[in-house]
Amino acid sequence: KAGVTQTPRYLIKTRGQQVTLSCSPISGHRSVSWYQQTPGQGLQFLFEYFSETQRNKGNFPGRFSGRQFSNSRSEMNVSTLELGDSALYLCASSASGGGSGRAGELFFGEGSRLTVL
Amino acid sequence: GENVEQHPSTLSVQEGDSAVIKCTYSDSASNYFPWYKQELGKGPQLIIDIRSNVGEKKDQRIAVTLNKTAKHFSLHITETQPEDSAVYFCAASPSGDDKIIFGKGTRLHILP
Repeated sequence: KAGVTQTPRYLIKTRGQQVTLSCSPISGHRSVSWYQQTPGQGLQFLFEYFSETQRNKGNFPGRFSGRQFSNSRSEMNVSTLELGDSALYLCASSASGGGSGRAGELFFGEGSRLTVL
Repeated sequence: GENVEQHPSTLSVQEGDSAVIKCTYSDSASNYFPWYKQELGKGPQLIIDIRSNVGEKKDQRIAVTLNKTAKHFSLHITETQPEDSAVYFCAASPSGDDKIIFGKGTRLHILP
């Protein structure tokens, strides 16, 4: 069974640009969560999607957005990039979610490392 | 919302000794507490988890304890080995919610 796939793995952008990251979950998983990982802040929750609906959102500005498609693949977008957006963005899929109230194992991809110059 | 504090941020132990990482959470309604291990260049991977109806869970050299009254939980690794060197994250998930909130991580070094 293929794992969670994230593309691109590395990218460099300049301040003010926007970026779109893609995530393909494990087949059959309908929940996709996104996290930002930085050395000082650890793993910070961005949002969770289930069946094309955003079910949870973390404390990030509106420049961070996402969506999920009918095949459960997900994208996240960051507009008007700032230097502080440089981070590893991790996507995780789960067989749980959807408002079940019973969180389960997250399966992470290897991440997309974004550098903002 | 839920907040998870994790200590220490860095831990060095001699190979063969035990390692303990501690976490506290703020939301008394949280009922799911997983631990993840992240090796260099990889995404985090679940190593053990515990739900609030259990006080302790063990899997070979790894164990997790949960104290709901004090709102803290701990990871114990016994007989540490070089391959245990990694970053470990604790996490919590509030009851009725599916999102998982992580601590800031502990970098564990196993010294030869």
